Amino acid sequence: GAVVSQHPSWVICKSGTSVKIECRSLDFQATTMFWYRQFPKQSLMLMATSNEGSKATYEQGVEKDKFLINHASLTLSTLTVTSAHPEDSSFYICSATNPSSGGPPNEQFFGPGTRLTVL
Amino acid sequence: AQKITQTQPGMFVQEKEAVTLDCTYDTSDPSYGLFWYKQPSSGEMIFLIYQGSYDQQNATEGRYSLNFQKARKSANLVISASQLGDSAMYFCAMREGGYSTLTFGKGTMLLVSP
Repeated sequence: GAVVSQHPSWVICKSGTSVKIECRSLDFQATTMFWYRQFPKQSLMLMATSNEGSKATYEQGVEKDKFLINHASLTLSTLTVTSAHPEDSSFYICSATNPSSGGPPNEQFFGPGTRLTVL
Repeated sequence: AQKITQTQPGMFVQEKEAVTLDCTYDTSDPSYGLFWYKQPSSGEMIFLIYQGSYDQQNATEGRYSLNFQKARKSANLVISASQLGDSAMYFCAMREGGYSTLTFGKGTMLLVSP
């Protein structure tokens, strides 16, 4: 299989605090991981592409100093929302590619998502 | 121009009937892949079906089939014999060339009634 987990599944924090979300590939090594943001009843918007051992590539309009991404190992990527504000409240989803999956080329396997609420 | 267009914000279908969810795409790359995902209210993204640009036959996976019309740049998802559990948001997405990034459409909310 190709299972991706996220932790926590939901988090509530106060405005001004930082929140870290973990994304793990449980049964494969993920050289590339992706972070998405999804507002209610909207589509997934790619925030950044994360490659193990290198700096993340952020999409246009995404503040790299606010959304810190670290991909320190082949099975773990983290997204830290720094100095969170209510407008950062959203559903954050990660995904990973598994070159050995045998499925469609560059298929992404998605985590279950993390719902962030900033008060 | 939008790369992926899903023109149906919402669709209603009765249980056991078939339903088609529309998706058109825009790319100049001859090599691309089209994905359909289901997102229930829990939020998880469930992969349904994939069609590669060079695939000769339309993809099928159980009750899901993809009506791929390359010249029209459309990749409609057909769900046969709808079930109540099919009620969810459905997203069409595209990968272009050798890149692994996906571009998603805005989605279609499908409601299946008894």
